[in-house]
Amino acid sequence: DAGITQSPRHKVTETGTPVTLRCHQTENHRYMYWYRQDPGHGLRLIHYSYGVKDTDKGEVSDGYSVSRSKTEDFLLTLESATSSQTSVYFCAISETGQLFQETQYFGPGTRLLVL
Amino acid sequence: DQQVKQNSPSLSVQEGRISILNCDYTNSMFDYFLWYKKYPAEGPTFLISISSIKDKNEDGRFTVFLNKSAKHLSLHIVPSQPGDSAVYFCAASANNNDMRFGAGTRLTVKP
Repeated sequence: DAGITQSPRHKVTETGTPVTLRCHQTENHRYMYWYRQDPGHGLRLIHYSYGVKDTDKGEVSDGYSVSRSKTEDFLLTLESATSSQTSVYFCAISETGQLFQETQYFGPGTRLLVL
Repeated sequence: DQQVKQNSPSLSVQEGRISILNCDYTNSMFDYFLWYKKYPAEGPTFLISISSIKDKNEDGRFTVFLNKSAKHLSLHIVPSQPGDSAVYFCAASANNNDMRFGAGTRLTVKP
């Protein structure tokens, strides 16, 4: 199994509060991704990183920010959580980012409930 | 817009029989297709993939078929086992860093 951990694994928070989710990898892969999974939508890309301090937006980036100060850590921040951000969040990594020829490895997920 | 669609939210089959999971896509630029398997409380894990230059890829009990003209792919599991019970996601990517996933199909294999 790829060495990917996510913390926390579960979180309940209130609307309007800031929330930060952490993804940590031990594989030294260059690319890291944050997805959210919602019923009827599968997984949708929020943001991704292609190196330390290098990030870009994904399909559903509004309301989220990310930071990557070290190769092994990728943080996802909800500046002011809303109920529509209740979801399961998955971190993923890939070595080259060439998603047309390699697979991604996913973390175990973080279940976030915004009340 | 959902560029990758799995129109069957669930599928139930008997142990030992064939499971066929279907996936349709709309973006003709997609050239690499994958299936992921997901158990409850775990992240998705890679199962099998196929490049657009092929129409079939086989790995043990799992075979993926690609019909580019119909923009359709399918995953066949033969024979199905109770341990195959999971949610299966179809995914597709073009020649960039953009992977799109279907909504998933929950497979239940009954003993």
